Amino acid sequence: ETGVTQSPTHLIKTRGQQVTLRCSSQSGHNTVSWYQQALGQGPQFIFQYYREEENGRGNVPPRFSGLQFPNYSSELNVNALELDDSALYLCASSLGGADGYTFGSGTRLTVV
Amino acid sequence: SQQGEEDPQALSIQEGENATMNCSYKTSINNLQWYRQNSGRGLVHLILIRSNEREKHSGRLRVTLDTSKKSSSLLITASRAADTASYFCAALDSNYQLIWGAGTKLIIKP
Repeated sequence: ETGVTQSPTHLIKTRGQQVTLRCSSQSGHNTVSWYQQALGQGPQFIFQYYREEENGRGNVPPRFSGLQFPNYSSELNVNALELDDSALYLCASSLGGADGYTFGSGTRLTVV
Repeated sequence: SQQGEEDPQALSIQEGENATMNCSYKTSINNLQWYRQNSGRGLVHLILIRSNEREKHSGRLRVTLDTSKKSSSLLITASRAADTASYFCAALDSNYQLIWGAGTKLIIKP
């Protein structure tokens, strides 16, 4: 059984650019959620997908969007990057969303 | 903004001692989960306690839940240097979203 894989591990982008982060969920998991974690803070919920449908969204601006594919992998897209978007972006998968989540190692995004 | 709170923010103890971390939350929950994070990387699920449970054990971990006080605690017994990490509680709310605390940074001194 494979865990959750995120790519890339590190990324540097310029303010105003767009970025796509990718996540492969753990085998058998149908729920994927994304989190933003600033340095020294706890994770902040971005959104969650269950069987390709968004079923929850945190307090994030519309320039954050996502997708879940039929194989339950997922993408997080951020448009018009701002300096404050610099953070660790974590993806987690679960079966149904009611039990513990398996997290990937994250993508460290730096916006300059 | 965080909707959960943890205390203490940081805890430094000697190897072999017990470490206790506390968590409070604001919403109705399905369950309460504890995670560990090393060096700002991915989180590792430690233990889950359901809203109808009061106490749960897993190895050296003991978690309690008091839904009337909206609080939980995590006890790590016989701490080891390898337990050094940040520990987060996360409450699964009625929308099946995880609401996180700010974490407790635990340092185990050899």
